[in-house]
Amino acid sequence: DTEVTQTPKHLVMGMTNKKSLKCEQHMGHRAMYWYKQKAKKPPELMFVYSYEKLSINESVPSRFSPECPNSSLLNLHLHALQPEDSALYLCASSQDFGGGPGDTQYFGPGTRLTVL
Amino acid sequence: AQSVTQLDSQVPVFEEAPVELRCNYSSSVSVYLFWYVQYPNQGLQLLLKYLSGSTLVESINGFEAEFNKSQTSFHLRKPSVHISDTAEYFCAVTFSGSARQLTFGSGTQLTVLP
Repeated sequence: DTEVTQTPKHLVMGMTNKKSLKCEQHMGHRAMYWYKQKAKKPPELMFVYSYEKLSINESVPSRFSPECPNSSLLNLHLHALQPEDSALYLCASSQDFGGGPGDTQYFGPGTRLTVL
Repeated sequence: AQSVTQLDSQVPVFEEAPVELRCNYSSSVSVYLFWYVQYPNQGLQLLLKYLSGSTLVESINGFEAEFNKSQTSFHLRKPSVHISDTAEYFCAVTFSGSARQLTFGSGTQLTVLP
């Protein structure tokens, strides 16, 4: 089983709202990722968690706040977003994040976010 | 510098024809290679991967890719495409060493015509 689940599938929010995206995997993977994908573009890495610790933050604005409550769950808290933040947000997980074959990433279906 | 190049942004092809989607990478270190497929309004699905061993890797739906170290390529091929293969295809690479992130190519939109 290589399933990563994400909720919600779609989200519409105003610029003053606070919302959260959720990601879950039950493959025993120890690394989890958040990506942002604009239309017709490849995904852009935002954050990497390895063993529940933030390993990489790709200079993401503070209006995006990641959280890893346990090894199976990853959240992305959103606050005061801008219309240009509208995109598909993808979660991924991998067995490891060590520069080896265990880094193979499996993606979830994504959350389509629209900021009004 | 380490990079991934997908030379063709769009590839239209008729149903039942063969197709090749090209991927080249630039690296001075060893690599792991992946092809992901993204159907409209969906996430990325891992199509196939090369980690080690046989340089020819196959997917369950008839795609195959061959790792060519001398040409630094990992082209994706299918001998006969179906309408349902219409999707965006991303080549991706991880480079051994400190930069462990997945580096994506710009993507190739495969459109299968009836």
